[in-house]
Amino acid sequence: DQQVKQNSPSLSVQEGRISILNCDYTNSMFDYFLWYKKYPAEGPTFLISISSIKDKNEDGRFTVFLNKSAKHLSLHIVPSQPGDSAVYFCAASRYTGGGNKLTFGTGTQLKVEL
Amino acid sequence: GAVVSQHPSRVICKSGTSVKIECRSLDFQATTMFWYRQFPKQSLMLMATSNEGSKATYEQGVEKDKFLINHASLTLSTLTVTSAHPEDSSFYICSARDQAGYGYTFGSGTRLTVV
Repeated sequence: DQQVKQNSPSLSVQEGRISILNCDYTNSMFDYFLWYKKYPAEGPTFLISISSIKDKNEDGRFTVFLNKSAKHLSLHIVPSQPGDSAVYFCAASRYTGGGNKLTFGTGTQLKVEL
Repeated sequence: GAVVSQHPSRVICKSGTSVKIECRSLDFQATTMFWYRQFPKQSLMLMATSNEGSKATYEQGVEKDKFLINHASLTLSTLTVTSAHPEDSSFYICSARDQAGYGYTFGSGTRLTVV
């Protein structure tokens, strides 16, 4: 049962344009969401997070949007840079009663082309 | 920022032997650490939650006798893969939750190959 899904396994974007990565979840008990960037053979690196009490959080080039009614979140990267090429995972957790465990999505491979 | 050190980064072992992977929080105390496993081109799957001074909580389908977890101190958790078989070959990653808030810091991962 995949509670967190990233339906696009890959995304290709031109340098300077906006990258939009999407994530859907099924468990309405999730109340905290995170995005991670991962290179092969390395651990994930935290990018940005959002609590369920917000619908938007911004940090530099990265913005995360949360639509609780649709159980959907997205990560916007603008402008995209070649160094952004990596696999991006969204993750969700239940702060209350969930043991703080992270449930990861399946990942989206982003390729930013020159 | 918070740093989690994971060793070794890569290990090759013979079938039937045991392998220990260490995960250390370098500049913070981690009462809870998590162990994940990732197969190629797949998501990170939580194996177990490790709590300092108590038994680990394993996810459904993870054999606790095969994947031994010890969290003896606030800065160290270990995962021992016992009697390893080729199907245990995978990428293992630990993470620690810092006490300040919602942050989860990940180790750099261990590539285990069982031959």
